[in-house]
This record gives sequence, C-alpha cells and structure tokens, in this order.
Amino acid sequence: SQTIHQWPATLVQPVGSPLSLECTVEGTSNPNLYWYRQAAGRGLQLLFYSVGIGQISSEVPQNLSASRPQDRQFILSSKKLLLSDSGFYLCAWSAGYEQYFGPGTRLTVT
Amino acid sequence: SQKIEQNSEALNIQEGKTATLTCNYTNYSPAYLQWYRQDPGRGPVFLLLIRENEKEKRKERLKVTFDTTLKQSLFHITASQPADSATYLCASVSGTYKYIFGTGTRLKVLA
Repeated sequence: SQTIHQWPATLVQPVGSPLSLECTVEGTSNPNLYWYRQAAGRGLQLLFYSVGIGQISSEVPQNLSASRPQDRQFILSSKKLLLSDSGFYLCAWSAGYEQYFGPGTRLTVT
Repeated sequence: SQKIEQNSEALNIQEGKTATLTCNYTNYSPAYLQWYRQDPGRGPVFLLLIRENEKEKRKERLKVTFDTTLKQSLFHITASQPADSATYLCASVSGTYKYIFGTGTRLKVLA
C-alpha cells in the first residue's frame, strides 16, 4: 500500500532563517506531487505541483521554492522565512483525481 | 476568480440524525467535486469523488450530490455518530492538476 511521509512534524524558526521540508511517497511510482499551505481558518492553498522529476509548477509566487530530485521525493524550501510563512504545510500525492495527504508540518515563524 | 464556498459556521447535530453540508462553486464549471475529512492537526482524508455527469454517489453512510444547475454539491452523513465530528472540505478538480479547496465546515455530532 502507499504511504506518504513528511518531516519534521513541527518547526519553530526565526524570521530570515532558511527552510527545508521534505516529503516522500512509498508504494507508487511517478505520482503527481503537491505542496499546500493551510493558514488558520483558511482553506488549503496550493503552492506547487510536480508531474515528474525536475518538473515544478508554481501556483503562488512568493519566497518559497520546490524541488523534486527523485521520483518520490518532494522538497519545499525557502532562503529567508517571513512571518507570513507560518502555517500548516501539507504534501499530497495523486495518481488519478483523488489526493492523499501526508501528516503535515506545523511551521511557526517567530 | 474561481471559488469554492462552504458554510464557515460550525454545524451541530444530534447523534443519529442526518448531517447535510453544502458546497457552492462560482465562476467555473468543475469536472469533478471531492469531499475530504480533516481532523485537528492532521492532513485531509479523501472520502468521495463525484463527476459532473453523476447526480449522486454513495459510500456506506455517506452520500454526495452534484447539481450543475445550482452549482452546488451536498454532502450527507446519515445516522451520524460522535466519531463523525470533524471538518469536511469540498474541493474541485479542473484539468489534471488544478485543485481548489473550500475553507471547510466543522461538524460536531452531539451524543
């Protein structure tokens, strides 16, 4: 069966520090991969999606970037965090129209 | 802009009753609508998908409808239980990668 992992589960970072969140999927090959952010009381905001290694599409221009160095690995990065980057970050995969989400990373920028 | 709207107010119902949640979409015609369940501090879990040419879809105690005239989907949980308490998210799918999520409706089933 397929599983999706995200780490870390929680993170507290100062403004201006770098960020790296990692997501890996097991049990499937060539999945579509997604990064979302969920702010308190708001819906899921699609940040990036990828249909293959090295193929990244950005939905919202901001100080975040994403990379897919391997088929089942998706990384979300920032060089300098802003206060507004705080939120719940979710990675998801799909092979059809259904999406399957990871456990999420709670990021607090102080 | 394309938008999915859900009632942001929490819905409280008595155990055993049917819960009905509403999802409205504006400014586009999605090919698919989906419903997810999200518990606090967890990622959403996929529940049901319905296509625009399907009027109704069922899975155990869950039922989803898709009304393209009203631009609306209804999500029903029959014989609700306290374990059904969660936030339910509606999402549309257009094309292969374009997912738009609503803000979700929090359901609380009272014992």
